[in-house]
Amino acid sequence: DAGVIQSPRHEVTEMGQEVTLRCKPISGHDYLFWYRQTMMRGLELLIYFNNNVPIDDSGMPEDRFSAKMPNASFSTLKIQPSEPRDSAVYFCASSLSGRLHTDTQYFGPGTRLTVL
Amino acid sequence: AQTVTQSQPEMSVQEAETVTLSCTYDTSESDYYLFWYKQPPSRQMILVIRQEAYKQQNATENRFSVNFQKAAKSFSLKISDSQLGDAAMYFCAYRSALGGSEKLVFGKGMKLTVNP
Repeated sequence: DAGVIQSPRHEVTEMGQEVTLRCKPISGHDYLFWYRQTMMRGLELLIYFNNNVPIDDSGMPEDRFSAKMPNASFSTLKIQPSEPRDSAVYFCASSLSGRLHTDTQYFGPGTRLTVL
Repeated sequence: AQTVTQSQPEMSVQEAETVTLSCTYDTSESDYYLFWYKQPPSRQMILVIRQEAYKQQNATENRFSVNFQKAAKSFSLKISDSQLGDAAMYFCAYRSALGGSEKLVFGKGMKLTVNP
């Protein structure tokens, strides 16, 4: 399996621009997670989906952030408009539910976002 | 809310030696999962080892083992025969086993340096 795929790996944009991060989970996994990692706050869960439905978006910082999962193999995280404080590494992770799998989350390589 | 604490921000070990990374957590739940993830300079989050709280036996994966003390809410990671490739950030994480709660709560991480 190719693992979780994220694109782009690096993104540099200017304040006010729209940014879209993309994720392809591991085939067959029914959970998908978006995390943000910063030096100050560490790893934070932003939102997660189960079977393409958002379950918990309490970690989404504000209305500028939105996430979608139109199908089982694709998700996006959009920031509009972007601000310098959004600069971080954004990780996507996926997992397979069920006790036998212990629901371990497998992470993608991350997208390093820099907002100037 | 659950919290995970990694009190040592940095540690170093000599190649081939053994090192123990500490982690404590706070929860009122009786059933949960604990994880150690490794993040090398490539940024990829890699699962090192996992432990199910209902299992008394400590998990082991090759050179990696844990000391799970449920009553003390302690979950330390022991790395035996340390190798240069073990140098990375290590994150301890907690996940409830309750249905409908898939959120991973991470500690702040600990930077491990392996000296040749």
